Order: sequence, then C-alpha cells, then structure tokens
Amino acid sequence: AQSVAQPEDQVNVAEGNPLTVKCTYSVSGNPYLFWYVQYPNRGLQFLLKYITGDNLVKGSYGFEAEFNKSQTSFHLKKPSALVSDSALYFCAVRLREADNDMRFGAGTRLTVKP
Amino acid sequence: DGGITQSPKYLFRKEGQNVTLSCEQNLNHDAMYWYRQDPGQGLRLIYYSQIVNDFQKGDIAEGYSVSREKKESFPLTVTSAQKNPTAFYLCASRVQGRGNQPQHFGDGTRLSIL
Repeated sequence: AQSVAQPEDQVNVAEGNPLTVKCTYSVSGNPYLFWYVQYPNRGLQFLLKYITGDNLVKGSYGFEAEFNKSQTSFHLKKPSALVSDSALYFCAVRLREADNDMRFGAGTRLTVKP
Repeated sequence: DGGITQSPKYLFRKEGQNVTLSCEQNLNHDAMYWYRQDPGQGLRLIYYSQIVNDFQKGDIAEGYSVSREKKESFPLTVTSAQKNPTAFYLCASRVQGRGNQPQHFGDGTRLSIL
C-alpha cells in the first residue's frame, strides 16, 4: 500500500525568502504525485502534479516541485515566499494501477512572516 | 463556473440524531468521494462512488452511509452510530479512469456535536 509522509508539521519563513515543504512517499509501483493547498475553512485547491517526464514541475502561484525517484521525494518549493502563501499544504500520491486509492499526507502548516 | 457545492457550511448534531451532508457537482465527473479531516491527520476516505447507484467503503466507513442516485449528487449521512462525528467533511470529484487528474474539492461542512 502507498503512503505519504510530510515530516514537518510547521514551516516558518520570512517573506521574500525561498520556501520548501517536504514530502516523501512509499509505493510499490509508479506514482502520480500531487500538491494541494488549503486556506482556513475552505476545501483543498490543486497546485501541481507529477505524472512523468521532467522532474521539475511548475504549478500555480509560482510554486514548483521536484520529483526525486531515488529519494522517493516530491518537495514543494517557491523562490520567494509571500505572506499570502500562509496556509496548510498537503502532498498526495496515487498509484497508476489503483485509480481510486489516493493517499494524503498529514499536512504542513506554512507561515510566512512579513 | 463548474464546481462542487457542499451544504450546509456548519452543522450541529444532537445525541442519537442522523444528519445528512449535501454534495452537488456540475463538473460532469463520474467519481465522487467523501473525506473526513481531523487536525494533524490529513484526509481519510469515508466512501467513494465511481458510477451512479454504486459506491464503495473507504478506510473509515463505520457510522456513515451514502447514496448515489444521480451523477451530480453524493450525499453523506452521519448516523448515530458514529460516536465521534466532530470533524471537517470534504467532498471531492474527479474524472473516472484518469488517474493522472487531480480531485476537485468543495469547501467543506464542519460538523459539531451539541
């Protein structure tokens, strides 16, 4: 069975600094990987996904993520953080062979301070 | 604009009472999902449906029931058998059979016990 780990409950960065939110996964096959963002009392919004090909994936709001197969990681990054990026971020994995089995990490709360 | 509508936004349940959470989508998606979100635990799958009149249990289906009489609608009933119903409930949908596509989420219903 697949699983996702987000090793940091909380990440704090200063506005203008680069940010990284970490995600590692464990699967027995080929994964699709996703990042979502959640603002208070709202649903999850899709940011970006990795399917195949280029290991660096670009998504919404200036976010990008790097797929590293050897380290089974899919870290979310942004070169310059904004206060408005403060939110809860979820990494998710789905096996290509298990269409309805999507696993979410526990979430990382990002706080960007002015 | 297409999307997922969940109602009500806030719901209170009395002891021994069943309550029903509404989820409607106009995205023409075949697959629909219900998740429960608790702080620090990420999202856990309650039920999902791939087609009208069919649904499957997820990881935490006990104390919950669903129906799928129409493609657009996937209501969730929290029964009195669910002893710890206080949580944020999220409905999602996706194009069935397209595993590389993200799920779309509604804005959730927050359920509390009176």
